[in-house]
Amino acid sequence: DAGVTQSPTHLIKTRGQQVTLRCSPKSGHDTVSWYQQALGQGPQFIFQYYEEEERQRGNFPDRFSGHQFPNYSSELNVNALLLGDSALYLCASSLERRTNTEAFFGQGTRLTVV
Amino acid sequence: GNSVTQMEGPVTLSEEAFLTINCTYTATGYPSLFWYVQYPGEGLQLLLKATKADDKGSNKGFEATYRKETTSFHLEKGSVQVSDSAVYFCALRDYGGSQGNLIFGKGTKLSVKP
Repeated sequence: DAGVTQSPTHLIKTRGQQVTLRCSPKSGHDTVSWYQQALGQGPQFIFQYYEEEERQRGNFPDRFSGHQFPNYSSELNVNALLLGDSALYLCASSLERRTNTEAFFGQGTRLTVV
Repeated sequence: GNSVTQMEGPVTLSEEAFLTINCTYTATGYPSLFWYVQYPGEGLQLLLKATKADDKGSNKGFEATYRKETTSFHLEKGSVQVSDSAVYFCALRDYGGSQGNLIFGKGTKLSVKP
């Protein structure tokens, strides 16, 4: 059983560009959350998707947007990249109808903005 | 708002030493509490969890007890190994019946020397 998979693993972009990160949830999971982990910090919640809609959002600007597809996979888009967007982006999946179920994390996408 | 505070690192121990990593939280309601571990170059793995007061989570020799009166969830292990070297994150999730987001502490880096 494949766990949460993210692509690409590493990415280098130039300031002002746009980027799309991808996540496939663990088999059977229907909820996807995205987190940003700056170097030396804990992950910060960006947003969560369920039933193809953004259900919850953290304190991130509108430059951060997302999408969930019918197969539950998800994308994170960041527009007008800033140097400060350089971070490890983590995707986590879980199952909505089971409360307090474990969230499984992918290995992340390391984004470097130059 | 909800928050998690954990002890600053790095923590350096000799093999077989006793480990304590302190974690305290601030939350409304009745959060679930978690410890996640992040090995170098990898995503987060759930180490243990507790969903209500006085619950003890345990896994791989690690333990933590949910203390509502002191709003704490300290991580302990009686005898650490070199393979335990990693970054440890304390986290909470509001108990809301749905998959609310996780709120993480800043992480504590543990290095275990042979």
